[in-house]
Amino acid sequence: EAGVAQSPRYKIIEKRQSVAFWCNPISGHATLYWYQQILGQGPKLLIQFQNNGVVDDSQLPKDRFSAERLKGVDSTLKIQPAKLEDSAVYLCASSHVDRPDNEQFFGPGTRLTVL
Amino acid sequence: AQTVTQSQPEMSVQEAETVTLSCTYDTSESDYYLFWYKQPPSRQMILVIRQEAYKQQNATENRFSVNFQKAAKSFSLKISDSQLGDAAMYFCACQGAQKLVFGQGTRLTINP
Repeated sequence: EAGVAQSPRYKIIEKRQSVAFWCNPISGHATLYWYQQILGQGPKLLIQFQNNGVVDDSQLPKDRFSAERLKGVDSTLKIQPAKLEDSAVYLCASSHVDRPDNEQFFGPGTRLTVL
Repeated sequence: AQTVTQSQPEMSVQEAETVTLSCTYDTSESDYYLFWYKQPPSRQMILVIRQEAYKQQNATENRFSVNFQKAAKSFSLKISDSQLGDAAMYFCACQGAQKLVFGQGTRLTINP
């Protein structure tokens, strides 16, 4: 079974530029998550999708961050415009909706550096 | 809201010895799960072990075991016979009805 795929693995941009990250979850996993992991901290949930609907985006900075999951499979997270404090690893995870523990499977992450 | 606290930013252990990583949590939910994740330098989060809160028996997975003290809201991870490949960041996490909340992490170093 293929794992969660993310691209790119690394991205360096200047502040005020835009950037987009892509995630392909495990086949059959209806729930998809985006996390932000700042260096030295644990991951923080940004947004959770169930199929193509948003379940929780309470911690997503909506003035600059947006995410979509148009066909209930792949997802894109965008930052526009980027700030220095957005430098972090962005992790995508997915889970099967029928699992009571919602075990999440993580992708390798995208390391974003904002200069 | 859930909170997870890992009070040990760094730990080190000699290869083949035993180490215990501490975690405390707080949740208002009666039904929840607890996890330990490992994150090596490759950044991939890997599930090490899970514990259902309604189960009194401590979970065990090969060299990894937990000490789950529900009343004290404590969930420590014991690694026996430490191996060089165990070196990584370890995150404790609590899953409630919707959200998975992580602690700050403990960096584990294995000394050969």
